[in-house]
Amino acid sequence: SALTQPASVSGSPGQAITISCTGTSSDVGGYNYVSWYQQHPGKAPKLMIYDVTNRPSGVSSRFSGSKSGNTASLTISGLQAEDEADYYCCSYTSTSTRVFGTGTKVTVL
Amino acid sequence: QVQLVQSGAEVKKPGSSVKVSCKASGGTFGNLAINWVRQAPGQGLEWVGRIVPLLRTPHYAQNFQARVTLTADESTSTAYLEVSSLRFEDMAMYFCARGLYYDSSAFDIWGQGTMVTVSP
Repeated sequence: SALTQPASVSGSPGQAITISCTGTSSDVGGYNYVSWYQQHPGKAPKLMIYDVTNRPSGVSSRFSGSKSGNTASLTISGLQAEDEADYYCCSYTSTSTRVFGTGTKVTVL
Repeated sequence: QVQLVQSGAEVKKPGSSVKVSCKASGGTFGNLAINWVRQAPGQGLEWVGRIVPLLRTPHYAQNFQARVTLTADESTSTAYLEVSSLRFEDMAMYFCARGLYYDSSAFDIWGQGTMVTVSP
């Protein structure tokens, strides 16, 4: 079943926020294959972090990823208005499938 | 730079089938997988399955195993998603997305999405 994310997270410009993504030892906890996506309304998702901590070329260094046990996290530092979007985590699973998180709406106050 | 270009929106009746295409423009698939992701209106992302066009071996999420078929034609760099016995709950945007590297769980290039509407 879907990984668990908070429904919403908010912060003021310049602040740092963290989005959690909780799974099990059969997905998030068992592999270093967690990725994060940003999706603006009406657009396709955009890869922000892959393999837990890696940032694709062109993605701002304000975005960082980490993992502890069965929970992965995405941190956005120096929050900006353009960061307001939906964010999804995704993990490899023990059955070689992939599973997304429930999604988090980030609001910049 | 490779782009993924999907076929246009579809309107289908319940019980019918739909086939969505995803073509690599400006390059080929190589040995990378094409994943399919579904997003119902106002809902989250759901992984449907993946296929490596070079190997033509599909792999499905359990929820989609019964009514979804993934195929690919490497000669035309086109992947296909077919959903049969359409239900109202299949109404969604369907995205194709390329794996970052072989067997990757990260998807770096996405198609623009294809909206499938199920209406009597």
